[in-house]
Amino acid sequence: NAGVMQNPRHLVRRRGQEARLRCSPMKGHSHVYWYRQLPEEGLKFMVYLQKENIIDESGMPKERFSAEFPKEGPSILRIQQVVRGDSAAYFCASSPLGKQGYRSYEQYFGPGTRLTVT
Amino acid sequence: QKEVEQDPGPLSVPEGAIVSLNCTYSNSAFQYFMWYRQYSRKGPELLMYTYSSGNKEDGRFTAQVDKSSKYISLFIRDSQPSDSATYLCAMSLSNFGNEKLTFGTGTRLTIIP
Repeated sequence: NAGVMQNPRHLVRRRGQEARLRCSPMKGHSHVYWYRQLPEEGLKFMVYLQKENIIDESGMPKERFSAEFPKEGPSILRIQQVVRGDSAAYFCASSPLGKQGYRSYEQYFGPGTRLTVT
Repeated sequence: QKEVEQDPGPLSVPEGAIVSLNCTYSNSAFQYFMWYRQYSRKGPELLMYTYSSGNKEDGRFTAQVDKSSKYISLFIRDSQPSDSATYLCAMSLSNFGNEKLTFGTGTRLTIIP
């Protein structure tokens, strides 16, 4: 059973360009979370999505950042007009629906995308 | 004050020793508690997952939660060099729509052969 997949693993962008990060959840998982890890800091929640729905975006910066999880295809985190401060590791996690329709609180992480803004 | 506090270390112990890692938290509404292991430049790997107070054991790992003290611990017995990594505690609320994880900053652990 393949784990959470993220691509690209490394992404270099110049200031002002767009960065697009992709995440394919584990098979059978319908919940996706995005986290950001800045150097020497812990993981910070950004956004929680289900298919075609944003459930919680309380951790997303107000501007330039957006996320989607379409009915078909991977979840995408988009950063427009990147700045040096966006350089970080971005991790995606997925979680399954538990028994009887309850969510499982276990989240499984992908390998991350390391974004460098020059 | 951060919601979750974790001593960043670094922590170095000899092979075979018992390792104790801890986190404290301020939000009494947290119900689910997790420990992740993260090797350098890799994604976090879920090690232990507990609900509310109590102990949970899995092989060499034991997780403890004391909600009255807002304190959680991870114990590693018979530590191995392969246990060298950063250990992250994480926790979440119980309500639907609030499953986001709040992490500690991580403790960097080195097991000396």
